Amino acid sequence: EAAVTQSPRNKVTVTGGNVTLSCRQTNSHNYMYWYRQDTGHGLRLIHYSYGAGNLQIGDVPDGYKATRTTQEDFFLLLELASPSQTSLYFCASSDGAGGVSDYTFGSGTRLLVI
Amino acid sequence: GDSVTQTEGLVTLTEGLPVMLNCTYQSTYSPFLFWYVQHLNEAPKLLLKSFTDNKRPEHQGFHATLHKSSSSFHLQKSSAQLSDSALYYCALSGMATGGNNKLTFGQGTVLSVIP
Repeated sequence: EAAVTQSPRNKVTVTGGNVTLSCRQTNSHNYMYWYRQDTGHGLRLIHYSYGAGNLQIGDVPDGYKATRTTQEDFFLLLELASPSQTSLYFCASSDGAGGVSDYTFGSGTRLLVI
Repeated sequence: GDSVTQTEGLVTLTEGLPVMLNCTYQSTYSPFLFWYVQHLNEAPKLLLKSFTDNKRPEHQGFHATLHKSSSSFHLQKSSAQLSDSALYYCALSGMATGGNNKLTFGQGTVLSVIP
Protein backbone atom coordinates (compact mmCIF):
# COMPACT_ATOMS: atom_id res chain seq x y z
CA GLU A 1 0.00 0.00 0.00
CA ALA A 2 1.33 3.39 -1.01
CA ALA A 3 2.23 5.43 2.01
CA VAL A 4 4.27 8.21 3.55
CA THR A 5 5.98 7.29 6.80
CA GLN A 6 7.49 9.83 9.16
CA SER A 7 9.78 9.29 12.10
CA PRO A 8 9.94 9.94 14.93
CA ARG A 9 6.29 10.58 15.88
CA ASN A 10 7.35 12.79 18.77
CA LYS A 11 10.62 14.53 19.57
CA VAL A 12 11.80 16.73 22.40
CA THR A 13 15.06 18.63 22.11
CA VAL A 14 16.78 21.52 23.83
CA THR A 15 17.42 24.94 22.38
CA GLY A 16 20.52 24.75 20.20
CA GLY A 17 20.14 21.04 19.68
CA ASN A 18 20.43 19.11 16.45
CA VAL A 19 17.34 17.35 15.08
CA THR A 20 16.67 15.27 11.98
CA LEU A 21 13.15 14.40 10.88
CA SER A 22 12.79 11.53 8.45
CA CYS A 23 10.26 10.83 5.73
CA ARG A 24 9.95 7.84 3.42
CA GLN A 25 7.38 7.37 0.67
CA THR A 26 6.52 4.20 -1.20
CA ASN A 27 4.30 5.92 -3.77
CA SER A 28 6.96 6.19 -6.47
CA HIS A 29 6.23 9.91 -6.44
CA ASN A 30 8.69 12.45 -7.77
CA TYR A 31 7.78 15.30 -5.44
CA MET A 32 8.23 15.45 -1.69
CA TYR A 33 7.46 18.30 0.68
CA TRP A 34 8.00 19.39 4.25
CA TYR A 35 5.32 21.55 5.89
CA ARG A 36 4.89 22.85 9.39
CA GLN A 37 1.45 23.25 10.91
CA ASP A 38 0.71 25.98 13.46
CA THR A 39 -2.62 27.24 14.71
CA GLY A 40 -3.59 30.40 12.89
CA HIS A 41 -1.04 29.84 10.14
CA GLY A 42 -2.21 26.59 8.61
CA LEU A 43 0.28 24.52 6.67
CA ARG A 44 3.39 26.38 5.57
CA LEU A 45 5.92 24.98 3.12
CA ILE A 46 9.48 24.71 4.37
CA HIS A 47 11.32 22.86 1.57
CA TYR A 48 10.45 20.55 -1.27
CA SER A 49 12.13 18.39 -3.84
CA TYR A 50 11.32 16.93 -7.22
CA GLY A 51 13.84 14.13 -7.19
CA ALA A 52 16.90 12.66 -5.59
CA GLY A 53 19.54 15.31 -5.05
CA ASN A 54 17.14 18.17 -5.82
CA LEU A 55 16.10 20.77 -3.26
CA GLN A 56 13.76 23.74 -3.58
CA ILE A 57 13.21 26.46 -1.04
CA GLY A 58 9.71 26.89 0.31
CA ASP A 59 7.99 29.80 1.99
CA VAL A 60 9.43 29.51 5.52
CA PRO A 61 12.92 28.00 5.07
CA ASP A 62 14.88 29.94 7.71
CA GLY A 63 16.52 27.65 10.25
CA TYR A 64 15.88 24.52 8.22
CA LYS A 65 17.90 22.42 5.84
CA ALA A 66 16.67 19.47 3.84
CA THR A 67 18.17 16.66 1.85
CA ARG A 68 16.65 14.20 -0.62
CA THR A 69 18.94 11.20 -0.68
CA THR A 70 16.80 8.89 -2.83
CA GLN A 71 13.44 9.06 -4.53
CA GLU A 72 11.96 7.55 -1.38
CA ASP A 73 13.73 9.49 1.39
CA PHE A 74 13.50 13.16 2.36
CA PHE A 75 15.03 14.55 5.55
CA LEU A 76 14.49 17.81 7.39
CA LEU A 77 17.40 19.08 9.48
CA LEU A 78 17.31 21.60 12.31
CA GLU A 79 20.93 22.26 13.22
CA LEU A 80 20.37 24.84 15.95
CA ALA A 81 16.85 24.26 17.15
CA SER A 82 14.93 27.18 18.63
CA PRO A 83 11.64 27.29 20.58
CA SER A 84 10.00 28.98 17.57
CA GLN A 85 10.46 25.70 15.71
CA THR A 86 8.15 23.89 18.10
CA SER A 87 5.48 22.65 15.73
CA LEU A 88 3.78 19.72 14.03
CA TYR A 89 5.70 18.77 10.91
CA PHE A 90 4.16 16.99 7.96
CA CYS A 91 5.84 15.34 5.04
CA ALA A 92 3.92 14.79 1.81
CA SER A 93 4.48 13.35 -1.63
CA SER A 94 2.86 13.80 -5.03
CA ASP A 95 3.56 12.74 -8.59
CA GLY A 96 3.40 16.37 -9.66
CA ALA A 97 1.55 15.70 -12.87
CA GLY A 98 0.10 18.81 -14.45
CA GLY A 99 -0.18 20.79 -11.25
CA VAL A 100 -3.30 18.98 -10.05
CA SER A 101 -1.96 15.84 -8.51
CA ASP A 102 -2.94 15.04 -4.95
CA TYR A 103 -0.72 15.10 -1.92
CA THR A 104 -0.34 12.06 0.29
CA PHE A 105 0.59 13.15 3.79
CA GLY A 106 2.46 11.32 6.50
CA SER A 107 1.11 11.13 10.04
CA GLY A 108 3.26 13.99 11.28
CA THR A 109 6.12 14.55 13.73
CA ARG A 110 5.44 16.64 16.79
CA LEU A 111 8.56 18.57 17.80
CA LEU A 112 9.02 20.36 21.09
CA VAL A 113 12.05 22.60 21.57
CA ILE A 114 12.59 23.55 25.21
CA GLY B 1 2.56 35.51 -5.00
CA ASP B 2 -0.24 33.04 -4.41
CA SER B 3 -2.39 33.33 -1.30
CA VAL B 4 -5.51 31.70 0.15
CA THR B 5 -7.91 33.18 2.69
CA GLN B 6 -10.45 31.05 4.56
CA THR B 7 -13.27 31.60 7.02
CA GLU B 8 -11.38 32.36 10.18
CA GLY B 9 -11.11 30.16 13.23
CA LEU B 10 -13.98 28.03 14.42
CA VAL B 11 -17.37 27.37 12.83
CA THR B 12 -19.88 25.65 15.10
CA LEU B 13 -23.01 24.14 13.58
CA THR B 14 -25.90 22.05 14.78
CA GLU B 15 -26.22 18.66 13.12
CA GLY B 16 -28.47 18.77 10.06
CA LEU B 17 -27.83 22.40 9.21
CA PRO B 18 -26.06 23.39 5.97
CA VAL B 19 -22.31 23.89 5.88
CA MET B 20 -20.51 26.66 4.07
CA LEU B 21 -16.80 27.33 4.55
CA ASN B 22 -15.45 30.27 2.61
CA CYS B 23 -12.29 30.25 0.54
CA THR B 24 -10.98 33.07 -1.62
CA TYR B 25 -7.66 33.23 -3.36
CA GLN B 26 -5.18 35.39 -5.17
CA SER B 27 -3.09 33.99 -7.97
CA THR B 28 -1.33 35.51 -10.95
CA TYR B 29 -2.32 32.62 -13.18
CA SER B 30 -5.23 30.19 -13.48
CA PRO B 31 -4.98 28.02 -10.41
CA PHE B 32 -6.27 24.66 -9.36
CA LEU B 33 -8.08 24.69 -6.02
CA PHE B 34 -8.33 21.94 -3.42
CA TRP B 35 -10.07 21.20 -0.15
CA TYR B 36 -8.25 19.00 2.37
CA VAL B 37 -9.77 17.67 5.59
CA GLN B 38 -7.87 16.76 8.74
CA HIS B 39 -9.59 14.86 11.53
CA LEU B 40 -8.18 14.97 15.04
CA ASN B 41 -4.75 13.34 15.31
CA GLU B 42 -4.79 12.33 11.66
CA ALA B 43 -3.01 13.48 8.52
CA PRO B 44 -4.70 15.86 6.06
CA LYS B 45 -6.50 14.06 3.25
CA LEU B 46 -7.85 15.31 -0.05
CA LEU B 47 -11.57 16.01 0.05
CA LEU B 48 -12.09 17.42 -3.44
CA LYS B 49 -10.42 19.48 -6.13
CA SER B 50 -11.41 21.82 -8.92
CA PHE B 51 -11.10 21.20 -12.59
CA THR B 52 -12.52 23.87 -14.84
CA ASP B 53 -14.90 26.67 -14.13
CA ASN B 54 -18.54 25.60 -13.79
CA LYS B 55 -17.65 21.97 -13.05
CA ARG B 56 -18.63 21.08 -9.53
CA PRO B 57 -16.59 18.36 -7.81
CA GLU B 58 -18.36 16.41 -5.09
CA HIS B 59 -17.23 13.96 -2.42
CA GLN B 60 -18.84 12.61 0.74
CA GLY B 61 -21.71 15.04 0.29
CA PHE B 62 -19.42 18.04 0.04
CA HIS B 63 -19.18 20.15 -3.09
CA ALA B 64 -17.40 23.29 -4.20
CA THR B 65 -17.56 25.42 -7.32
CA LEU B 66 -14.62 27.37 -8.66
CA HIS B 67 -15.69 30.90 -9.56
CA LYS B 68 -12.85 32.66 -11.29
CA SER B 69 -14.81 35.91 -11.48
CA SER B 70 -14.89 36.18 -7.70
CA SER B 71 -11.72 34.12 -7.02
CA SER B 72 -13.64 31.79 -4.74
CA PHE B 73 -13.94 28.07 -4.03
CA HIS B 74 -16.38 27.80 -1.12
CA LEU B 75 -17.04 24.39 0.43
CA GLN B 76 -20.68 23.42 0.93
CA LYS B 77 -22.76 20.57 2.24
CA SER B 78 -26.52 20.49 2.57
CA SER B 79 -26.67 18.79 5.97
CA ALA B 80 -23.88 18.63 8.54
CA GLN B 81 -23.06 15.37 10.30
CA LEU B 82 -21.23 14.88 13.58
CA SER B 83 -18.48 13.07 11.67
CA ASP B 84 -17.82 16.22 9.63
CA SER B 85 -16.14 17.81 12.65
CA ALA B 86 -12.57 18.44 11.52
CA LEU B 87 -10.04 21.00 10.35
CA TYR B 88 -10.56 22.04 6.73
CA TYR B 89 -7.92 23.53 4.49
CA CYS B 90 -8.38 25.28 1.19
CA ALA B 91 -5.29 25.11 -1.02
CA LEU B 92 -4.13 26.47 -4.35
CA SER B 93 -1.76 25.18 -7.01
CA GLY B 94 -0.79 27.90 -9.43
CA MET B 95 -0.11 27.17 -13.07
CA ALA B 96 2.89 29.47 -12.92
CA THR B 97 4.66 26.93 -10.78
CA GLY B 98 5.31 24.98 -13.94
CA GLY B 99 3.91 21.70 -12.75
CA ASN B 100 5.89 21.48 -9.54
CA ASN B 101 2.58 21.06 -7.78
CA LYS B 102 3.48 23.34 -4.90
CA LEU B 103 0.35 23.86 -2.83
CA THR B 104 -0.30 27.06 -0.92
CA PHE B 105 -2.66 26.44 1.99
CA GLY B 106 -5.02 28.76 3.78
CA GLN B 107 -4.93 29.12 7.54
CA GLY B 108 -7.55 26.41 8.06
CA THR B 109 -11.09 26.44 9.45
CA VAL B 110 -12.20 24.20 12.29
CA LEU B 111 -15.72 22.87 11.81
CA SER B 112 -17.43 21.64 14.96
CA VAL B 113 -20.79 19.91 14.53
CA ILE B 114 -22.87 19.55 17.68
CA PRO B 115 -25.97 17.43 18.32
